[in-house]
Amino acid sequence: NAGVTQTPKFQVLKTGQSMTLQCAQDMNHEYMSWYRQDPGMGLRLIHYSVGAGITDQGEVPNGYNVSRSTTEDFPLRLLSAAPSQTSVYFCASSYRGAGELFFGEGSRLTVL
Amino acid sequence: KNQVEQSPQSLIILEGKNCTLQCNYTVSPFSNLRWYKQDTGRGPVSLTIMTFSENTKSNGRYTATLDADTKQSSLHITASQLSDSASYICVVSEVSNAGKSTFGDGTTLTVKP
Repeated sequence: NAGVTQTPKFQVLKTGQSMTLQCAQDMNHEYMSWYRQDPGMGLRLIHYSVGAGITDQGEVPNGYNVSRSTTEDFPLRLLSAAPSQTSVYFCASSYRGAGELFFGEGSRLTVL
Repeated sequence: KNQVEQSPQSLIILEGKNCTLQCNYTVSPFSNLRWYKQDTGRGPVSLTIMTFSENTKSNGRYTATLDADTKQSSLHITASQLSDSASYICVVSEVSNAGKSTFGDGTTLTVKP
């Protein structure tokens, strides 16, 4: 099993550009979530999903959109990138919301 | 507001020594508490998961304790190795609210030879 796969691993954007961070899991987990991690800070929840077709906002949702059309995929969309969105983004999945989280390796985004 | 506070923020120890990391939380209603290890440039990996009824759980040289009454947990690392250098993150989940998790900011451990 691949676990949780994130692409791309690195991305540089210009202010105002849009892009999608991809996240896929092959463990048939119902719960998936996106976090951002800024230098020296903890993980902050952006959006999460408890199953296909169901998404909800986390702690820092502004500037990000998500959708969950399948159990396996949970893409994160940046609508109009801003320098404040420069961060490392982690996707995670678990069997259920309070279960053990399995994280991807991260996507490092720089917005110029 | 649910909070998870970890201490110390950073710690430097010599190889072979023991150390203890602390986690205090206010999350309610409590479901479980997990400790994760995050190596530099990698995603976090689970070390232990503890529920309300569990006081102690070990995973090799890692031993986690939980006091649900005082809402405190600790992670004890025995006979540290250079590979233990990482950030250790305490995560507490709620019973309700889709099992929403609250993350601590982590303790950065550096093990020196």
